[in-house]
Amino acid sequence: QVQLVQSGAEVKKPGSSVKVSCKTSGGTFSSYAFTWVRQAPGQGLEWMGGIIPLFGTANYAQNFQGRVTITTDESTSTAYMELTSLRSEDTAVYYCARDRAVTATGFDYWGQGTLVTVSS
Amino acid sequence: NFMLTQPHSVSESPGKTVTISCTRSSGSIASNYVQWYQQRPGSSPTTVIYEDNQRPSGVPDRFSGSIDSSSNSASLTISGLKTEDEADYYCQSYDFTNVIFGGGTKLTVL
Repeated sequence: QVQLVQSGAEVKKPGSSVKVSCKTSGGTFSSYAFTWVRQAPGQGLEWMGGIIPLFGTANYAQNFQGRVTITTDESTSTAYMELTSLRSEDTAVYYCARDRAVTATGFDYWGQGTLVTVSS
Repeated sequence: NFMLTQPHSVSESPGKTVTISCTRSSGSIASNYVQWYQQRPGSSPTTVIYEDNQRPSGVPDRFSGSIDSSSNSASLTISGLKTEDEADYYCQSYDFTNVIFGGGTKLTVL
């Protein structure tokens, strides 16, 4: 049984950074890519970027270039997403998702989501 | 990047059939697989269709997906609507290595 368990809710000040974790269990961690998606209140899903642990290379959405860093720790089967220079518009629920085994066919497991609130 | 356009909302009665469209703005809809996700309020998304028309195990066969090259769109069809199908539905595809989501469609079953 594959599970993705994310870290808890965060409240951050504008200009600060947040790092959200996504610990996986079940399956072979390094064999799959992991993706981060966010959802602002009342809005749709927005792709932030993804990473393949086996290669350690990340791919980021243009909207977040320079502000987001996605990493993994194979020793703990955990993926991380760090977002810097936070602003109020970054208030959202952040989800990690595991890519399906076949490339470019979507995601088969999702984390429970982490609410990040940016407020002064 | 191309865009995926969905209707903002659709509504239908229990027992009926509803179809949600997802139109690709440029490039062929057949160039990359389309997935559909269901998201109930307060929950994470779950996959109802992947690879255009494949259902994950556990998804009832009331859910089906298709693509239409003539309209350059994908469709999610839900037959025998149940109140539990009321949710937001998102289509998703790829532009090279970039993930593209549609804006989402709110399905109301009334």
